[in-house]
Amino acid sequence: EAGVVQSPRYKIIEKKQPVAFWCNPISGHNTLYWYRQNLGQGPELLIRYENEEAVDDSQLPKDRFSAERLKGVDSTLKIQPAELGDSAVYLCASTPGTTQETQYFGPGTRLLVL
Amino acid sequence: TQLLEQSPQFLSIQEGENLTVYCNSSSVFSSLQWYRQEPGEGPVLLVTVVTGGEVKKLKRLTFQFGDARKDSSLHITAAQPGDTGLYLCAGFDQGGKLIFGQGTELSVKP
Repeated sequence: EAGVVQSPRYKIIEKKQPVAFWCNPISGHNTLYWYRQNLGQGPELLIRYENEEAVDDSQLPKDRFSAERLKGVDSTLKIQPAELGDSAVYLCASTPGTTQETQYFGPGTRLLVL
Repeated sequence: TQLLEQSPQFLSIQEGENLTVYCNSSSVFSSLQWYRQEPGEGPVLLVTVVTGGEVKKLKRLTFQFGDARKDSSLHITAAQPGDTGLYLCAGFDQGGKLIFGQGTELSVKP
């Protein structure tokens, strides 16, 4: 069974540029999560989707971050414009059901903003 | 806000040594999880502890959940270079959100 797929794996951009990350969860997994992991820290939740509905986006900086999960499968996370402090690893995870299940993480996208 | 504090943050040891990593909180958790993250990869779940006082073993790794369900520990016996990685504890808050500790970076030198 294929795991969570993320692309790109690495991205280097200049500040004020836009950037987008893509995630394909494990087949059949209804719940999808986006996390941000700063260097030397644990992941922090940005947004959680149940199917196509964003059920927890309280920690998503909505002035510059947006996300979508059309058709309840793939998801994209966008930053526009990027700031130096956005440099981090962006992780996607999925679970079959709703909450408190084992989360399966993708390899992440490493973003460097110059 | 429920927080998880891990210690130590960094650990560098020789192959064959034993080590313990701690995960502490002032809040009660219904369960705690331990993940291992290798460079360039996402975290992978090692174990979930649910009952206060519970001890689980995974080969050379022993996980314990505190009696009061506020803390947990991970003990590795006879560490090997393949154990190198970032060890993260995590627990679900009252809203069902998974929160992580800041991690313990382990380096095992041959």
